[in-house]
Amino acid sequence: AQSVTQLDSHVSVSEGTPVLLRCNYSSSYSPSLFWYVQHPNKGLQLLLKYTSAATLVKGINGFEAEFKKSETSFHLTKPSAHMSDAAEYFCVVSLTGFQKLVFGTGTRLLVSP
Amino acid sequence: GAGVSQSPSNKVTEKGKDVELRCDPISGHTALYWYRQSLGQGLEFLIYFQGNSAPDKSGLPSDRFSAERTGGSVSTLTIQRTQQEDSAVYLCASSSGTGGISSYGYTFGSGTRLTVV
Repeated sequence: AQSVTQLDSHVSVSEGTPVLLRCNYSSSYSPSLFWYVQHPNKGLQLLLKYTSAATLVKGINGFEAEFKKSETSFHLTKPSAHMSDAAEYFCVVSLTGFQKLVFGTGTRLLVSP
Repeated sequence: GAGVSQSPSNKVTEKGKDVELRCDPISGHTALYWYRQSLGQGLEFLIYFQGNSAPDKSGLPSDRFSAERTGGSVSTLTIQRTQQEDSAVYLCASSSGTGGISSYGYTFGSGTRLTVV
C-alpha cells in the first residue's frame, strides 16, 4: 500500500529564512508525488509534482522538492520564507497510472516577521 | 466557470438529517473526485467518477454515503442520517486526465464545511 508521512505537524520560521517541510513516502511501485498548499478558507493548490522525470522539481512561488529514492523522501524547500507562505502543506502520493491521491496529514507552516 | 465550485460553503445540520453537497467541476473535465478532510487529518478519498464509467466507490465510509454525477458534469454527494463523526470539510476536485494522473494535477474546490450538531 502507498502512504506518506509528514514528519512535522507544525513548522515555524522567520521571514527571510529557509523553509524545510519533510515528507517520506511508502510505495511498492514507481510513485507520483505532489505537494499541495491550502491557505485558510481556500481550496487546495498544486505546488509541484514529481513524475519520474527530473528528481529536482521546481514549483510555484519559489518552492522546490527533491525526490530521493534511496531515502524514500520528497522534502519541500524554499530558500527564503515570505509571510504569504503561511499555510497548510500536504505531501501526496499516487501510483503512476492510478487516480487516487493519498494525502499526508499536513504540515502547518507559520511565518513570523 | 474558471474553477471548481462547491455549495453550500457551510452547512450545519442536526444529527439524523440528510444533507446534499454539490460540486460543479471545471467545464470539460472528465474526472471528478470527492475527498473528506476531518479536523487535523489529511484528505480521505471518498469516490471517483470518470466519464461514463462506473464510479470507484471504494472510499465511501458507510452505506449512508452516496454520490451521483449527472450528465458527466455536476455531482451531488448525499449523506443520509448524518452522525457527528460526519463533521468535516468535503472537497471536490476535477481533472482532465483520463488515464494516469501523473501528467495532470487536480483542481480542488474550496469545500463544504459540514457540522453535525
